[in-house]
Parts: sequence; C-alpha cells; structure tokens
Amino acid sequence: EVQLVESGGGLVKPGGSLRLSCAASGFTFSSYSMNWVRQAPGKGLEWVSYISSSSTYIYYVDSVKGRFTISRDNAKDSLYLQVNSLRAEDTAVYYCARVTGAYYMDVWGKGTTVTVSS
Amino acid sequence: QSALTQPASVSGSPGQSITISCTGPSSDTSDYAYVSWYQQHPGKAPKLMIYAVNNRPSGVSNRFSGSKSGNTASLTISGLQAEDEADYYCTSYTSSRTYVFGTGTKVTVL
Repeated sequence: EVQLVESGGGLVKPGGSLRLSCAASGFTFSSYSMNWVRQAPGKGLEWVSYISSSSTYIYYVDSVKGRFTISRDNAKDSLYLQVNSLRAEDTAVYYCARVTGAYYMDVWGKGTTVTVSS
Repeated sequence: QSALTQPASVSGSPGQSITISCTGPSSDTSDYAYVSWYQQHPGKAPKLMIYAVNNRPSGVSNRFSGSKSGNTASLTISGLQAEDEADYYCTSYTSSRTYVFGTGTKVTVL
C-alpha cells in the first residue's frame, strides 16, 4: 500500500525549532518529487515547500524562506522539514504529499500538528 | 504568490450539478496549465480529484469533471450526493516554480 506517515510535530515556544519527518512506503520514493503543505486551524491549504527527486531543485513559499529547510534521504525513504524561528502563524497541520506527473499531489499523509505558543 | 479565488460556499440539492470556479490574478494563462483539485472532509487529509485541468485519477467518480478558460478553472460535480459535502481546493503549479492554492469552497448538500 502506498503510504506517507508524518511525525515530529508538537508544542513549541515562539522562536523554537522542530524537525518534521515523513516516512514513505509502498513506492519508489527516490523517483518522486515531494511537497510539504500546511493548514492553519480553520483555514485553507497553503503550499510550503517542494523538493525534487534528487534534491536538485528546492523551493519555498516566501513566508518561510530563511526559516524552514526541506531535505530528503532517499536511502531511508524519508522526507524532512526543519522548521526554525517558529512564529504563532506557523501553527498548523503539516502534510507531506507526493508530486506526480503534471505537478499534482496524488498521495498525502494524515499530517502532523505543530503548535507555536508560549 | 496571491491565492487563487474561489467562492466561499456552494450548495445544491441531491442529484443537481454544481460548479466551483477558481480564478487566478495572473493574465499569463500558462500559469494555470497545471491546475488540480482536492476534496477535504473535516479532519481528513486532502484527496486528489482532478489533475492537469480535466483528468480524473482512477477511483474518482466520473461525476467530477474539470475545465479551464483563460485564467479561470472550474470543477463541476454532477449528480450531487451527500458524500460530496466537503471543502474543495484548487491549486496550480506556477511559472515561478511554486504552488498556489485556492481560498477553498465549502460544498453543502441541501
């Protein structure tokens, strides 16, 4: 079964850091680009970051540039998002999603929750 | 990276058809060549419903269809069913190599 499972979320104080992980199974992870997408409580979806299959291309939404770092370990079938200098507005459910073909996201994890509060 | 504009809510009776629009700020229509649509039930992860404007993944009902005209994409749900009640989001991969999501539409089945 094709599956993505996120972990690493939690409660953190403003200015703090977390490392989010996404474990892939059931497909050849190294062949796919990946996205992180987040959803603040009661709000819509927001794309956060993209990484190509071999990490050659990496992109971020402007609001997280310089604070978040996306990476992957194809040997471990894992995707990561290092989130630093966290702000209250980063509070959200963070989803990882597989990118296929014409840049669409066909497989999603169930998400991990990040709460930034003092 | 302005969000794509969707109506906040759309409703319809069972069996009816509804259409959700998704309009972008850019006059460059190539920015919307890679439009996809996602369904999200409360507390659940999004689910891909339409990709590349008008293609359905396997397993998605043929009651769902997509189209595009200029800088506006549309999702049509025909034969509306109770299980279609959910939030729907469009998204597009843009020429600046980023993604932009729509503002989201809550579909209510009356």
